Amino acid sequence: AQKITQTQPGMFVQEKEAVTLDCTYDTSDPSYGLFWYKQPSSGEMIFLIYQGSYDQQNATEGRYSLNFQKARKSANLVISASQLGDSAMYFCAMREYSNYQLIWGAGTKLIIKP
Amino acid sequence: SAVISQKPSRDICQRGTSLTIQCQVDSQVTMMFWYRQQPGQSLTLIATANQGSEATYESGFVIDKFPISRPNLTFSTLTVSNMSPEDSSIYLCSVRDRGTQDEQFFGPGTRLTVL
Repeated sequence: AQKITQTQPGMFVQEKEAVTLDCTYDTSDPSYGLFWYKQPSSGEMIFLIYQGSYDQQNATEGRYSLNFQKARKSANLVISASQLGDSAMYFCAMREYSNYQLIWGAGTKLIIKP
Repeated sequence: SAVISQKPSRDICQRGTSLTIQCQVDSQVTMMFWYRQQPGQSLTLIATANQGSEATYESGFVIDKFPISRPNLTFSTLTVSNMSPEDSSIYLCSVRDRGTQDEQFFGPGTRLTVL
């Protein structure tokens, strides 16, 4: 069964609008971490934001915030005031604390239109 | 956060040859990982590089094809041996930083094309 699901293969968004990228996960481990990465066409994998399963507050990093809904097993990435440079692939990932591996979603290709 | 560099950044190689990719980290880290990303796909873990011992390979990856060295806590190499076009991928080095948050950072990647 899929442990990380990103249901949006691609998205087009107008510049300056907010964007929500969906991510749902499945785990029975009570302790886990959730990650979002950005991969531009250059290929590098850029860490954006991290949310621990016991964190009470939603994580924020500049224009990025993570909408963590634990009961729904949802960890959506919100990008405020999108910019042309936000066009990239975005990957959601999870690490269960019983396992050292990152489990990856299939990714969402985001294109920001001018 | 850890700063990771990889060499080469890209290469075009002939079938049957081997390529060694280097990964350098600016701080000592316990866990280093090597990933492969085939075109249009997500990341797949090849192996965990352990300092002072053999690497731990994931299912579907073997040491003869992907030998790994980890001579110290800041450096590792991955060799892609006897290459075929199916090995054309981005290869990424990654480290786990168990500081204030359990983050994981990636190098810039090596884009490999095998003809």
